[in-house]
Amino acid sequence: AQSVTQPDIHITVSEGASLELRCNYSYGATPYLFWYVQSPGQGLQLLLKYFSGDTLVQGIKGFEAEFKRSQSSFNLRKPSVHWSDAAEYFCAVVVSNTGKLIFGQGTTLQVKP
Amino acid sequence: NAGVTQTPKFRILKIGQSMTLQCTQDMNHNYMYWYRQDPGMGLKLIYYSVGAGITDKGEVPNGYNVSRSTTEDFPLRLELAAPSQTSVYFCASIPGEGPYGYTFGSGTRLTVV
Repeated sequence: AQSVTQPDIHITVSEGASLELRCNYSYGATPYLFWYVQSPGQGLQLLLKYFSGDTLVQGIKGFEAEFKRSQSSFNLRKPSVHWSDAAEYFCAVVVSNTGKLIFGQGTTLQVKP
Repeated sequence: NAGVTQTPKFRILKIGQSMTLQCTQDMNHNYMYWYRQDPGMGLKLIYYSVGAGITDKGEVPNGYNVSRSTTEDFPLRLELAAPSQTSVYFCASIPGEGPYGYTFGSGTRLTVV
């Protein structure tokens, strides 16, 4: 069955430190993969997406993600975290030509001053 | 452009009551979706539509109904509200088939008491 797993429910990093959020997916075909961010009480905003080509994709707010087919992973990274990055992050995969997304459970990021 | 607009933002229902969550988009998107978000569970697909007059069930459709009479509108109907329907509901849209990121509405927080 198609699924997305975010192994880390909660992560705390210090401001200025690097960040990596993990995402593993289970899907037979070439996936369309996404990372979304949700600030408290808000909707979800698209950070970046992968659908083909270069496996390292750049997104907004200084985020990047790397698609690794051999590991079925699409981890999100940022070299230096800012306090405003504190939010919940969701990885998702498209599972059909109707655009349906399956989301991971989410990772809550806390940033220490 | 307003994007995806959801109303109301908050609502408290009594058990057994009914209501309609409204979703409107002004981007001429063909594909629209309803998700519910529960803590620690990510987002689960309730219903989706790939065009006016076409709807289909998602992962968790029980207790809900939808219609799509126009491209712009995709209302979600709750009949006989139950406490298990307490959740945050998000509407989203994309132009059509392809690697598009969703445009999300800001959500409706529903409490059933």
